[in-house]
Amino acid sequence: NAGVTQTPKFQVLKTGQSMTLQCAQDMNHNSMYWYRQDPGMGLRLIYYSASEGTTDKGEVPNGYNVSRLNKREFSLRLESAAPSQTSVYFCASSQRGTIKDGYTFGSGTRLTVV
Amino acid sequence: GQQLNQSPQSMFIQEGEDVSMNCTSSSIFNTWLWYKQDPGEGPVLLIALYKAGELTSNGRLTAQFGITRKDSFLNISASIPSDVGIYFCAGMNYGGSQGNLIFGKGTKLSVKP
Repeated sequence: NAGVTQTPKFQVLKTGQSMTLQCAQDMNHNSMYWYRQDPGMGLRLIYYSASEGTTDKGEVPNGYNVSRLNKREFSLRLESAAPSQTSVYFCASSQRGTIKDGYTFGSGTRLTVV
Repeated sequence: GQQLNQSPQSMFIQEGEDVSMNCTSSSIFNTWLWYKQDPGEGPVLLIALYKAGELTSNGRLTAQFGITRKDSFLNISASIPSDVGIYFCAGMNYGGSQGNLIFGKGTKLSVKP
């Protein structure tokens, strides 16, 4: 099993450019999440999707949009990138209604905005 | 919103030493999780705790869910170089339409051979 796959692994953007971070899971999980990780800040939730067809804001949603394309895929879009969005982005998935296996994380996308 | 205080922020220890880290919260959780993040990778679940007072081991790792439901600790015995990484606690109250993990800011562990 691949688990949670994120693409790309690395990206450099210029301020104002847009891009979409892709995430796919093959575990038939209902819920998916996008986190950002910054030094000394831990993991902060950007958006989540409790089930296919629903999305909700997390702690730090400003400057981002998401799309739950189907049960497997959950993308994160930066419409106009800013240097403050330089971070490591993690996608995760879980089976709603049970936390027995916790969240499964992807290996991250390292984004630099110059 | 809910916040977790994780301490210490970083630790530098000698191989073979025991390690202890903890998390406290101002509000209660019904689940505590401990994750480890290796450099360049995503967090991986180490131990999950579901009941107040629960003590669970996974090899050299032992974690406890505090009686008050507002804290948890993780111990690592006889540390080895591959224990290096960032350890995160996470609390959760699952159920309903939302079931999101709240993460601590992490404890960065360095082990000197």
